[in-house]
Amino acid sequence: EAGVTQFPSHSVIEKGQTVTLRCDPISGHDNLYWYRRVMGKEIKFLLHFVKESKQDESGMPNNRFLAERTGGTYSTLKVQPAELEDSGVYFCASSQDGGLAVLTDTQYFGPGTRLTVL
Amino acid sequence: QKEVEQNSGPLSVPEGAIASLNCTYSDRGSQSFFWYRQYSGKSPELIMSIYSNGDKEDGRFTAQLNKASQYVSLLIRDSQPSDSATYLCAVNAGDNYGQNFVFGPGTRLSVLP
Repeated sequence: EAGVTQFPSHSVIEKGQTVTLRCDPISGHDNLYWYRRVMGKEIKFLLHFVKESKQDESGMPNNRFLAERTGGTYSTLKVQPAELEDSGVYFCASSQDGGLAVLTDTQYFGPGTRLTVL
Repeated sequence: QKEVEQNSGPLSVPEGAIASLNCTYSDRGSQSFFWYRQYSGKSPELIMSIYSNGDKEDGRFTAQLNKASQYVSLLIRDSQPSDSATYLCAVNAGDNYGQNFVFGPGTRLSVLP
């Protein structure tokens, strides 16, 4: 069974440009999460999709970040326009169950996209 | 602000010894706790999950949870050089319908041959 995949693995862009990150969750997983780790800091939650709906987007830093999950399969995270402080590693994770069992769901992480904004 | 704290390390232990990793959390209502291992440049990989007070064992790994003290730990017995990695403690801070992992900064473990 394929794990969580993310594309691209690395992205280097200039300040003000737009970047779109993609995440493909494990097949059959309804829950999809985005996290971010900036240099020297801990991994921080960005948002949580259940199928195509945003369950929790309390971690999104500002309106330059837009996440979508059309059709409830893969997800994209767009940063527009990118700023220097957006540099970091963006992780995607997915989990299966949801519902009342969601608190004990295991999240499986992808390899991350390393974003560098110059 | 929900927080998870860990000693950043590095924690160095000789091969064959027991490595003890500790984590404390601020939200008394937290119900589920996870230990992830992350090798440099790789994705976090689940090691253990624990939801009830007490010990949970899986092979060389034992997770311990004490909700009254808001403390969770991971013991690695018979440590191997391949266990050298950063260990992340994650606490589910979500409500009944969502998950929102709060991660600690991670403890870097080095197992010396």
